Amino acid sequence: DAGVTQSPTHLIKTRGQQVTLRCSPKSGHDTVSWYQQALGQGPQFIFQYYEEEERQRGNFPDRFSGHQFPNYSSELNVNALLLGDSALYLCASSGYRDYEQYFGPGTRLTVT
Amino acid sequence: TQLLEQSPQFLSIQEGENLTVYCNSSSVFSSLQWYRQEPGEGPVLLVTVVTGGEVKKLKRLTFQFGDARKDSSLHITAAQTGDTGLYLCAGGEYGNKLVFGAGTILRVKS
Repeated sequence: DAGVTQSPTHLIKTRGQQVTLRCSPKSGHDTVSWYQQALGQGPQFIFQYYEEEERQRGNFPDRFSGHQFPNYSSELNVNALLLGDSALYLCASSGYRDYEQYFGPGTRLTVT
Repeated sequence: TQLLEQSPQFLSIQEGENLTVYCNSSSVFSSLQWYRQEPGEGPVLLVTVVTGGEVKKLKRLTFQFGDARKDSSLHITAAQTGDTGLYLCAGGEYGNKLVFGAGTILRVKS
C-alpha cells in the first residue's frame, strides 16, 4: 500500500517565479493538507482540501493557492516567489473525520 | 491563536539513559499527535492520544495526554542511537489542521 507521495523532491527557483508542487494521498484518504516547514521550526499549516474545495486556510498570503483533483491528488502553487518561501513543503493526507494525518517525504524548495 | 510549546529544544544523552519531552499549551485540543522526523524527510506518526489522562505505550516509548487535554509528554526508556531525530507534538481537532510545536532535537550518543 503506497503511502503519501510528493513530487518533485527538490526544486530551485528564482525570486519572482512560480512553482507547482504535487501530492498523491495515501490509498483510502480523501483529504489533503499542506504545510510549510522552515529550517529549525515545526510545520505551519497552509490549507486543507476536501471534495475539491479549500476547507481551511492558515495565515498565508494569496500567493499560495491549491487545487484538488477528483482522484484526491492535490497541487500547491506559489506565485511571485520570495526568498522567505524557501522551505520544506509537506503534504499530509487523512480521512476527513480522522485525527491522524500521514505525511509525505516533502519537497525541498530553494528560492535564490 | 493556538500555540504548542515543546521543551527541551535540544537533548543530548548517552545510550541507555531515560528522557522525557514535554508539550504544553494554553488551549484545549481534541487530540494530540507525536511525530518523529529525520533530516530532509517528512514527519512519521508515532501515536495519537484523544482522551484526557490517556497513556499509550509503544515499546520503549510512553505517551501521556494531560487530564485537561492541554499538555502531553513523551518518555523514552533506555534510549538507543536509533532514537535520534526531531520529535514533534501536534494538537488538532478531528478533520482539521494540526498545530505543531517547534520540536525537540534528540541526539543519543553511543
